[in-house]
Amino acid sequence: SYVLTQPPSESVAPGQTARIACGGENIGSKSVHWYQQKPGQAPVLVVYDHTERPSGIPERFSGSTSGSNSGNTATLTISRVEAGDEADYYCQVWDSSTDQVVFGGGTKLTVL
Amino acid sequence: QVQLQESGPGLVKPSESLSLTCNVSGGSISRYYWSWIRQPPGKGLEWIGYIYYSGNTNYNPSLGSRATVSLDTSKNQFSLNLKSMTAADTAVYYCVSGSNLYFDLWGQGTLVTVSP
Repeated sequence: SYVLTQPPSESVAPGQTARIACGGENIGSKSVHWYQQKPGQAPVLVVYDHTERPSGIPERFSGSTSGSNSGNTATLTISRVEAGDEADYYCQVWDSSTDQVVFGGGTKLTVL
Repeated sequence: QVQLQESGPGLVKPSESLSLTCNVSGGSISRYYWSWIRQPPGKGLEWIGYIYYSGNTNYNPSLGSRATVSLDTSKNQFSLNLKSMTAADTAVYYCVSGSNLYFDLWGQGTLVTVSP
């Protein structure tokens, strides 16, 4: 089965840029989606289809992929980080070969 | 604006079945994908399964054949049935929706505890 790997935690100072990685085989060939989850709340979609932002999500949130060929790492970048960005972040893909929805293990972002 | 609301028991005994319903308000259920996702306390998100508005379904193989997702268009609802519950199934269960197997609409979630 397809596996998405995220670092358990990242930390960043206010005003700086946070980058949260999501690794997976040929992830560049899949549509990657990102969710933000604050304590006690349901997740919120912040980026879909690698780079698209839903209505109401600030431009500070952006997505990208990198690596050779189709790419092995997707990245969620949060610019000008604010205290309110402190949350868990999950990447997600749909693996077409197995018709399965797959989530990464999540990354806890701490704003110092 | 479409909203989702889960309902069902908060406590289930081991070996029993869980039945949850998601009420869809503000829009028609006859479109898109409708899924269930769960989150054990302190852990990450786990996709359970989906039903497409046409009736096609698919499930997380880690659940074996325990999960069934169904659609009731007359009530604008969809449901989850999960058999043979164990303590490992204790989680917050979310009903969710999206047009292309990403999820832009979430219910608030309902905590289900499996305990004697």
